Amino acid sequence: KAGVTQTPRYLIKTRGQQVTLSCSPISGHRSVSWYQQTPGQGLQFLFEYFSETQRNKGNFPGRFSGRQFSNSRSEMNVSTLELGDSALYLCASSLSRGPRDGAFFGQGTRLTVV
Amino acid sequence: AQSVTQPDIHITVSEGASLELRCNYSYGATPYLFWYVQSPGQGLQLLLKYFSGDTLVQGIKGFEAEFKRSQSSFNLRKPSVHWSDAAEYFCAVGADGNEKLTFGTGTRLTIIP
Repeated sequence: KAGVTQTPRYLIKTRGQQVTLSCSPISGHRSVSWYQQTPGQGLQFLFEYFSETQRNKGNFPGRFSGRQFSNSRSEMNVSTLELGDSALYLCASSLSRGPRDGAFFGQGTRLTVV
Repeated sequence: AQSVTQPDIHITVSEGASLELRCNYSYGATPYLFWYVQSPGQGLQLLLKYFSGDTLVQGIKGFEAEFKRSQSSFNLRKPSVHWSDAAEYFCAVGADGNEKLTFGTGTRLTIIP
């Protein structure tokens, strides 16, 4: 069974631009969560999607948004990029809502804002 | 609110020696607890999880963890480390009905010959 696939793996963007990251969950998994990882703040929860609806959101500004499609694939968007948005963005998929089944992570998208 | 503390930022262990990585959590109810490992430039790999039952949990790659409610701890152990175990290890806590995981700050493991 294929794992969680995130594309692209690496991105370089200029301050003020916007970016879209993609995540394909494990087949059959319906919940997708996004995390930001930085050396200073560690791993921080961005949001969770289940059945095409955002179910939970972390403490991030409105520039960070996402969506989920009917096939459970998810995208996250960051608008008006700032230097501080440089991070590894990780997507995790789960069979259903809640942590009982465990969350399985992709390899991440490394975003660099210059 | 849930929180996780990993008191050791960096640990160095000789190859073949035993390993214990510490994790303390704060959560009002019975938590869901996880250990993940991350190699440089990679995502997180789930090593093991606990949410009920036997307090000693076996995971992949020869790792195990023990849940101690009285100490609010979920320490990760391995009897004999291999050079390939060098990585960063994260403890995480979750709550029922909520997909959000709260992670500790991680412990970087270095293996010396």
